[in-house]
This record gives sequence, structure tokens and C-alpha cells, in this order.
Amino acid sequence: AQSVSQHNHHVILSEAASLELGCNYSYGGTVNLFWYVQYPGQHLQLLLKYFSGDPLVKGIKGFEAEFIKSKFSFNLRKPSVQWSDTAEYFCAGYSSNTGKLIFGQGTTLQVKP
Amino acid sequence: EAQVTQNPRYLITVTGKKLTVTCSQNMNHEYMSWYRQDPGLGLRQIYYSMNVEVTDKGDVPEGYKVSRKEKRNFPLILESPSPNQTSLYFCASRINREGGYTFGSGTRLTVV
Repeated sequence: AQSVSQHNHHVILSEAASLELGCNYSYGGTVNLFWYVQYPGQHLQLLLKYFSGDPLVKGIKGFEAEFIKSKFSFNLRKPSVQWSDTAEYFCAGYSSNTGKLIFGQGTTLQVKP
Repeated sequence: EAQVTQNPRYLITVTGKKLTVTCSQNMNHEYMSWYRQDPGLGLRQIYYSMNVEVTDKGDVPEGYKVSRKEKRNFPLILESPSPNQTSLYFCASRINREGGYTFGSGTRLTVV
């Protein structure tokens, strides 16, 4: 069955630290991948997406993600986090085989000032 | 402003009392979907719709109904709510199968 897994459930960092959140998917067909962010009390907002082409994707707020097909991964990175990055982050994947968009369980990021 | 509008934002109801959560989008999107968000479980799809009069079950459809009579509206109906349906609900729409979703602000439902 198709799935999207996020390895880290809760990450705590200090400001200016580098961030990498893991995401792995397990399904076939054409793969479109997304990262969403949910700030406290708010709805999900799209950070970035990968459809095809350059596997290194740049999104809003200084985030980027790299699609590595051989590892079935789409990890989210940011060189230097800020307190305002405190939020929950969701990886999601769309498979052309099933037509469904599946979300990972989410990773809560807490950035200490 | 392009957006997905859900109402109400907060709702407390009693077991068995039918309720409807409305969802409307102004982007002329084909696809609309309902998700529920629960701690530790992420977002799980309840129902989705690929176009007017076309709906299909997601991963957790039990206890819910939807309708898509117009392109812009996709209400979620709980005919007989139960406490295990206490959750945060999000409506979302996207322009096509491959596109990213635009989410509504969420509806926090409590069933007592």
C-alpha cells in the first residue's frame, strides 16, 4: 500500500541551527511530492512541491527539499532556522497509480529563541 | 482573494445531532477534499470529489457524507455524530490531480 512516512515526530532546535526533516514514500507511478507547514492554530500552507526536473526544489521562507529517487526520499532542509519556524510540518505525496494525495504523520518543530 | 472558506470554525454538539460543515472555494478548482487531523495520525482523507456530482470515499469515510451539487461547494455532513468524530477538520481544493492543495482554516468539532 502506498504510504508517506516522516521519521521525526518532534524536533527541538535552537535558532540558527540547521534543519533536516526526513520524508520517505513507498508507492510507484509518477510521484509528485509536497511539503506543507501548519503554524499554531492555522491551516496548512504549501511550502514547496516537486513534480519533475531539478530534484532540488526551493520553496518559500528559505526552505528547500531534495528528491532522491533511489532512496524514495524527499527531505526538507533549511540552513538556519528562526523562532518563527516553530510549526508542524507535513510531507505529502501524490501517486498517479492511485490518484490519491497521502500525508505523513507530521513533524512538530520547536525552535528555541 | 483566492481561498477555501469553511464554516463554522468551532462547533460543540451532542451525540446524534445532525450537523453540516460548509466548504466553499472561489478558484474554480475541480478537486475538493475533506481531511480530519488527529494527534499522532496526521491528516486522513474522509471524502474527495473530482468534479460536480462525482464523489468518492477516502481512507476514513465511516460516519460522514458529502455532496457536490455545485463546483464551488463541498459540504461535509455528519448524520449522527459520535464522540470519536471529535477532531479538527480541513477542507481543501486543487486545480487538478497533480496540483497542491489549498486548505481552509479548519473546523474544530467537539462531540459530547
